[in-house]
Amino acid sequence: DADVTQTPRNRITKTGKRIMLECSQTKGHDRMYWYRQDPGLGLRLIYYSFDVKDINKGEISDGYSVSRQAQAKFSLSLESAIPNQTALYFCATSDGGQGSPYTGELFFGEGSRLTVL
Amino acid sequence: AQKITQTQPGMFVQEKEAVTLDCTYDTSDQSYGLFWYKQPSSGEMIFLIYQGSYDEQNATEGRYSLNFQKARKSANLVISASQLGDSAMYFCAMREGSSNTGNQFYFGTGTSLTVIP
Repeated sequence: DADVTQTPRNRITKTGKRIMLECSQTKGHDRMYWYRQDPGLGLRLIYYSFDVKDINKGEISDGYSVSRQAQAKFSLSLESAIPNQTALYFCATSDGGQGSPYTGELFFGEGSRLTVL
Repeated sequence: AQKITQTQPGMFVQEKEAVTLDCTYDTSDQSYGLFWYKQPSSGEMIFLIYQGSYDEQNATEGRYSLNFQKARKSANLVISASQLGDSAMYFCAMREGSSNTGNQFYFGTGTSLTVIP
């Protein structure tokens, strides 16, 4: 099983619908992130969280909200989806360099492809 | 200003040859980390290699090496003896701050590498 699991993996929805993307991890990491990937733009940070009580906006948080339900769970919501939110969404975790070696790299889920019609 | 710049949208390399993927970065922090990720057509993000800003030696991981030129703020990825399985999108990323204090990761727009048989 994957260490960072995203559900759903694929979703097609209509404009105005509420969508939730869920992320759970078994790595025991405190830090969790949501990114979106668009062709030609790379990955851009939506929100990040360093623990259950810590939520921070990233570069492109407008139109999104998050919930950190537990250390292992971090959900991304689109309250009213619009077509330009069509993208590949990644959840990622990091140990903040507490592990060995102390690189603190991001561990990614397999991605959730969202299409908003 | 872009934090991470990858100027090669697409690259081709002959199988068994070496290839260099360019990455330049912009930061005023003294402590930072540089990462390369591989994204095959299946979509997952695979961590390849890490270079810390205080590391004096260039990082190496198997056929991957990172050519770190601090004064030029460049962190090029070198893949030796290319294989067909190396065909993928490659992303350069930077974490500003140390591994336990830095929070945001910045990604480049990626380079699509195609290995020709």
